[in-house]
Amino acid sequence: AQTVTQSQPEMSVQEAETVTLSCTYDTSESNYYLFWYKQPPSRQMILVIRQEAYKQQNATENRFSVNFQKAAKSFSLKISDSQLGDTAMYFCAFMKRPSGTYKYIFGTGTRLKVLA
Amino acid sequence: GAVVSQHPSRVICKSGTSVKIECRSLDFQATTMFWYRQFPKKSLMLMATSNEGSKATYEQGVEKDKFLINHASLTLSTLTVTSAHPEDSSFYICSAPVDGPMGYTFGSGTRLTVV
Repeated sequence: AQTVTQSQPEMSVQEAETVTLSCTYDTSESNYYLFWYKQPPSRQMILVIRQEAYKQQNATENRFSVNFQKAAKSFSLKISDSQLGDTAMYFCAFMKRPSGTYKYIFGTGTRLKVLA
Repeated sequence: GAVVSQHPSRVICKSGTSVKIECRSLDFQATTMFWYRQFPKKSLMLMATSNEGSKATYEQGVEKDKFLINHASLTLSTLTVTSAHPEDSSFYICSAPVDGPMGYTFGSGTRLTVV
């Protein structure tokens, strides 16, 4: 069974600084997708970034980038120039491909607080 | 972008009553809808998958008779919590695929409180 582990329950970072959230996963699949979602206090799930496992190049979305290490089954999220609006719960998620019906497997989350 | 509209956002009901939560896909057809439950400060737990025109598929440990799911049309899926008890109090979220495996959209969630 696939599992997703986020070992940092809580983190804090000073505004404008850089922070890295870790995520490891366990799977025997070779083709899959990885995601980072943000859940602010409003509880709305917001997609931050996504990575296809067959792509070696790390995904980047503005201030957000990932370090995807397929052999190590690691998928960390780096947030640069942290902003107060980045304060949220961050979930790493795994989805295997293909699978008839795609399903997310979410990690336990990391609560990030950006300090002014 | 594609939006899933979820209602109500908050509901308080008495123990023993039933509550219906609706998720509507706007501007796209959702043949599949996923229903999650989230406890405070915890992760999302998949409860069931609804498919338009067929029976929902429930995850192991989820009571089918407690959580009734109906996917009446390509734009509407509902979750009914029957005979609600305080332990059913939770945050419920729906989600639908929009861009294959690369992108799902989530509803804004429903906070259910059973008193």
